[in-house]
Amino acid sequence: QVQLQESGPGLVKPSETLSLTCTVSGYSISSGYFWGWIRQPPGKGLEWIGSIYHSGSTYYNPSLKSRVTISVDTSKNQFSLKLSSVTAADTAVYYCAREDVGTASFDYWGRGALVTVSS
Amino acid sequence: DIQMTQSPSSLSASVGDRVTITCRASQSISSYLNWYQQKPGKAPKLLIYAASSLQRGVPSRFSGSGSGTDFTLTISSLQPEDFATYYCQQSNSSPGYTFGQGTKLEIK
Repeated sequence: QVQLQESGPGLVKPSETLSLTCTVSGYSISSGYFWGWIRQPPGKGLEWIGSIYHSGSTYYNPSLKSRVTISVDTSKNQFSLKLSSVTAADTAVYYCAREDVGTASFDYWGRGALVTVSS
Repeated sequence: DIQMTQSPSSLSASVGDRVTITCRASQSISSYLNWYQQKPGKAPKLLIYAASSLQRGVPSRFSGSGSGTDFTLTISSLQPEDFATYYCQQSNSSPGYTFGQGTKLEIK
């Protein structure tokens, strides 16, 4: 059974960098698939942030590209998100998910991590 | 960017009803359209991928259709556990996947 779990600080100060890690169990990241981050502001809809392949190839939402870095650590079976220069608008539940290569559908999701941007 | 518009934004229905939710893309996305169900406090769950393929483990009362710019999600006979918010997602434009704004399905 594939499982994903987000971890990281739940509170980040404005202008600082948000950092989250997704730990995958039940499947080796090196075996394939893309691995993505999606966020959801409280009471609002879903926004795709970006995705990474096990090789390290990445692609990002153009609206966030200048502030986003996604990386992978296959030895730990983890991938990570960094979002710089955060504001209150970045307050959201952040999900990590597995992305099917062919259909770009997200078939396994973590439970989500609420990150609040506040001083 | 490709914009995705769902309708209606909210919907009231009864157990046993047949329900249809539509999703329209601002330009053609072929069949690169996925549907998700989200319950309060939970992560989204993939229901349909590639417009009409049922994800493993999802009940057959869920079905999807469409191609190009117009898509539908149909629930043939609503069950109590189906009351949730539904999202479409286009996966044609890379980079730049986008979701619809969601359709909240409530009990009448």
